[in-house]
Formats: sequence, C-alpha cells, structure tokens
Amino acid sequence: DIRMTQSPSSLSASVGDRVSITCRASQGIGSYLNWYQQRPGEAPKVLIFGASTLRSGVPSRFSGSGSGTDFTLTINTLQPEDFASYFCQHSYMTPYTFGQGTKLEFK
Amino acid sequence: QVQLQESGPGLVKPSETLSLTCTVSGASVNSEPYYWTWIRQTPGKGLDYIGYISNNGKTDYNPSLNSRVTISADTAKNHFSLRLSSVTAADTAVYYCARLTIGDVWSIYYYYMDVWGKGTTVTVSS
Repeated sequence: DIRMTQSPSSLSASVGDRVSITCRASQGIGSYLNWYQQRPGEAPKVLIFGASTLRSGVPSRFSGSGSGTDFTLTINTLQPEDFASYFCQHSYMTPYTFGQGTKLEFK
Repeated sequence: QVQLQESGPGLVKPSETLSLTCTVSGASVNSEPYYWTWIRQTPGKGLDYIGYISNNGKTDYNPSLNSRVTISADTAKNHFSLRLSSVTAADTAVYYCARLTIGDVWSIYYYYMDVWGKGTTVTVSS
C-alpha cells in the first residue's frame, strides 16, 4: 500500500492567517492526490482533486500544489469556518489510502 | 441533489457479521461513471478505504479486509451494502458510504469521493 504522511498533525492559527499543510506519498503518485476537510461530527468534504483542481463551490482561498511524492494544501486568509481537520488521499491505485490528518485549531 | 444515508445495527457482537446499507437518492447506483464506496474512520487509525462496487457490479476490496468483506448493490432498491464478517473490536468505527466520481482535467481522469453519507457508528462488543 502507498503510505501517505501528513505534517503537521496539528496547527494553531488565527483568522486571517495563511497556513500550509504538507502530504508526502511513499512512492510517486503523479497528481492523483485529493484533499478533504472534515468538521467535527461531519463527513469529509472534498476540496481539491488532481492535486490542484478546486472542486466546484470551494472558496478560492484554498489551493493545492505538488506532484510525484510531495503535495501542499494552502489556505489563504483563514476564515472561522476553516478550523477543522484536513486529510490527503491518493487515488493512484487501490487500495486508496489517507494521510493521518491535520487538525487546524484556533491560536 | 445526491444524498447517501447509511443504516444498520450500531452494535455487533465479536465474531458476527456487520451489515450496513447505503440508500442513494438523487442518483442511480447503476449510472455511469460512478463507483460506490465504503470508508471507515477510527480515532486511532484514521480513514480507511474498505472497497467499492461499480455501476456495472465490479467490486474492489482493500486487501487488508479482502477475505471478510462483501459489497453488493440492489438496483431495484437503489442501495448498496457492506458485509464484514468475523468482526473484532478493531472493526469498531464510524462507517461512511460515499460516491466515487471522476474529474476530467485536460483529459486526465482523477477519482475522488464527492458525496458522503453522514456516517454511522458501529461498535463491536459482547
């Protein structure tokens, strides 16, 4: 299985900040990388697919970059509703695997 | 608007079979180009892919569960189901059903889960 490693596991920030979360794959996965946001008690929601394509309806302050093994999710100008957990997931082949998650918390 | 809803027992005894159903509304389980997946989440292990069934009945299972898992679909009832046999406490989790769709970016096709159910908690305990 391809192992996905996210960092950091938690992150403290304030409204208006810019934050980045990284995800590393244990082998090259091209651009087959998705990012999800999960709020407490809710199901994950896709933000970005194909490493950098913003899902329709997702605010433009979210962006993704990277290819191969290293990927980044960046959130510009944090809003209160962005404080949640974020997961990367590869779709290069099955079994799909997820990163362990990054919890974004208020500073 | 596509919606998915998981249903099934919240408590299963060890060694028994966990059975869940995901009812789909706003889409058909046999419509292309979708795949219908099961994912589970535990505080310790995070999110785990269990498997999928395609619109034409093809299945794929996580090898870590392969011998215990079965995913099936009932097109008449427009739902798909998960059966996980010989459960242990390690199978205690929130179980989600989700639709796997395809995003086309410059003729490269990327798979991602675009619609999720709310999730259902299953506890394995005697």
